[in-house]
Amino acid sequence: GAVVSQHPSWVICKSGTSVKIECRSLDFQATTMFWYRQFPKQSLMLMATSNEGSKATYEQGVEKDKFLINHASLTLSTLTVTSAHPEDSSFYICSAMTSGGALSTQYFGPGTRLTVL
Amino acid sequence: DAKTTQPPSMDCAEGRAANLPCNHSTISGNEYVYWYRQIHSQGPQYIIHGLKNNETNEMASLIITEDRKSSTLILPHATLRDTAVYYCIVNQGGKLIFGQGTELSVKP
Repeated sequence: GAVVSQHPSWVICKSGTSVKIECRSLDFQATTMFWYRQFPKQSLMLMATSNEGSKATYEQGVEKDKFLINHASLTLSTLTVTSAHPEDSSFYICSAMTSGGALSTQYFGPGTRLTVL
Repeated sequence: DAKTTQPPSMDCAEGRAANLPCNHSTISGNEYVYWYRQIHSQGPQYIIHGLKNNETNEMASLIITEDRKSSTLILPHATLRDTAVYYCIVNQGGKLIFGQGTELSVKP
């Protein structure tokens, strides 16, 4: 159990275009999902927290107008990178958990590698 | 900020126990310690978590000191497939703030 999928697993796009990444919890309902970004040789950096049916909460320094997050159902969250530029090239990873707080375990997706040319 | 510090790298011989230490001296009384690992170019994999008591599952054991300021993850019989970056994380109100982790290399 506790499987999280991401689609696509990799994407290459031209500078200036927008890219949407999907995150799905396959066998549980996720009230909260998280989006992370990871650059080569670095650790994961939390970008935002999204709760089903409400606006996402972004970490300091993360541009909410650039990284649009939608969590419309208990099994799906999407991250849209708008007007992507080469510096947005990164490994984007989502996680999902069943309820809030320190008692809930986050399960991670396999990640999406974005390359912006 | 991440509330944990870990050694950047460790080696372990295949078949031996791997003991990965973690310091979390500023942990609060109700904050859990979680361990994940990340194999190259994959999403992190959940291993184990605990609050006060030692925990064991099919993957590993977690030993937490009585003052909760440090913990050790034990992989009892490391295999080559256990080579990964291991993250010790204090769950801060549902958020996981990753530190740099320990890169464990299991060698034949």
